[in-house]
Amino acid sequence: DTEVTQTPKHLVMGMTNKKSLKCEQHMGHRAMYWYKQKAKKPPELMFVYSYEKLSINESVPSRFSPECPNSSLLNLHLHALQPEDSALYLCASSQERGQGEKLFFGSGTQLSVL
Amino acid sequence: SQKIEQNSEALNIQEGKTATLTCNYTNYSPAYLQWYRQDPGRGPVFLLLIRENEKEKRKERLKVTFDTTLKQSLFHITASQPADSATYLCALDSGAGSYQLTFGKGTKLSVIP
Repeated sequence: DTEVTQTPKHLVMGMTNKKSLKCEQHMGHRAMYWYKQKAKKPPELMFVYSYEKLSINESVPSRFSPECPNSSLLNLHLHALQPEDSALYLCASSQERGQGEKLFFGSGTQLSVL
Repeated sequence: SQKIEQNSEALNIQEGKTATLTCNYTNYSPAYLQWYRQDPGRGPVFLLLIRENEKEKRKERLKVTFDTTLKQSLFHITASQPADSATYLCALDSGAGSYQLTFGKGTKLSVIP
């Protein structure tokens, strides 16, 4: 199984809602990532988990809250988002967190904040 | 500050020709450079990785070169097909032991039948 599965594929939420994005991989990878991608822009790193511990938080607002319940799962909890947070949210994994590690991406969650 | 530039936002090419995409970088000393393909509304897919001590890497119709003196990588697709139409992203390790990939803006390749 070489897939990273993200759910839901699409999400529309109001600014007062609370929702969660989910990501799952069964490749035994020990590093997992959240990226945000706006239209016609490159993916931008938000968070990195290594061995289920948060190792990088790229100054992301607290309305985004990551969680890594176990080595196969990664969640992104959303609360009080703004319309400018509308984007494609990508989850990725790699065998380890280190130089030269290739990333396996999921198909993403297309988020619209109204 | 660190910068990754991919030469053009869009590139149109006739089917069967070789497509050449460019990735230039400044204020990086990457040990590795990676190329990814991204289709609309999908996540990037890893294609090739090249190390700083490698001049060239090939995989089927794909070829990547890496010139650390010029601070440039070239990505070639030979015998291009309409199915190769996608956005191609280069990515560099941010260095200093941070182990995080930073992506260029990408080049949208359209292969015209």
